[in-house]
Amino acid sequence: QKEVEQDPGPLSVPEGAIVSLNCTYSNSAFQYFMWYRQYSRKGPELLMYTYSSGNKEDGRFTAQVDKSSKYISLFIRDSQPSDSATYLCAMKRGSQGNLIFGKGTKLSVKP
Amino acid sequence: ETGVTQTPRHLVMGMTNKKSLKCEQHLGHNAMYWYKQSAKKPLELMFVYNFKEQTENNSVPSRFSPECPNSSHLFLHLHTLQPEDSALYLCASSQEVGGAGAGELFFGEGSRLTVL
Repeated sequence: QKEVEQDPGPLSVPEGAIVSLNCTYSNSAFQYFMWYRQYSRKGPELLMYTYSSGNKEDGRFTAQVDKSSKYISLFIRDSQPSDSATYLCAMKRGSQGNLIFGKGTKLSVKP
Repeated sequence: ETGVTQTPRHLVMGMTNKKSLKCEQHLGHNAMYWYKQSAKKPLELMFVYNFKEQTENNSVPSRFSPECPNSSHLFLHLHTLQPEDSALYLCASSQEVGGAGAGELFFGEGSRLTVL
């Protein structure tokens, strides 16, 4: 079983839709959970991070962590064509640990 | 120049060539990384440098040879590569190894390598 599982998609939605992106993981020691966004021909950039369980909201983006289910989610409300990118989940055990990435989900928001 | 810059952006090489990828970070960070990104695969960590000392080599074949002359520059020397080495090679930096706390890595735009 891979440490981090993420459906690579692609996922296509109409503008204004609510998007749900998810990752599952197997290592219960993970404490830090991140979402990176990667535009085409660019490097990934940190979008959101959450420590341990709970929700975090930033504008149209909400990150959720459910440690009991080993499941993390990123929700995008009122999706825009500019949200079209690949979204990578990443996580690590401790503050000094290396990040373990998912495969990334390619999202396309159609106008 | 700001952030993390990588050159060249595209590279095509034969299996017997020797080439190098260059990375420079302008963020004053202490840690630098090489990652490999292949289609439909997770980012693979290759090497980690902290204060220009290598702290991690993730079982990378010796045909990839990193060099870190100072905390701002990182190279990846390539020789006798295989077609399966074709990928996007990303350089990243962080304030500390692992990116303490949130773990924010700052990535360059990558060098797209094609091995013929």
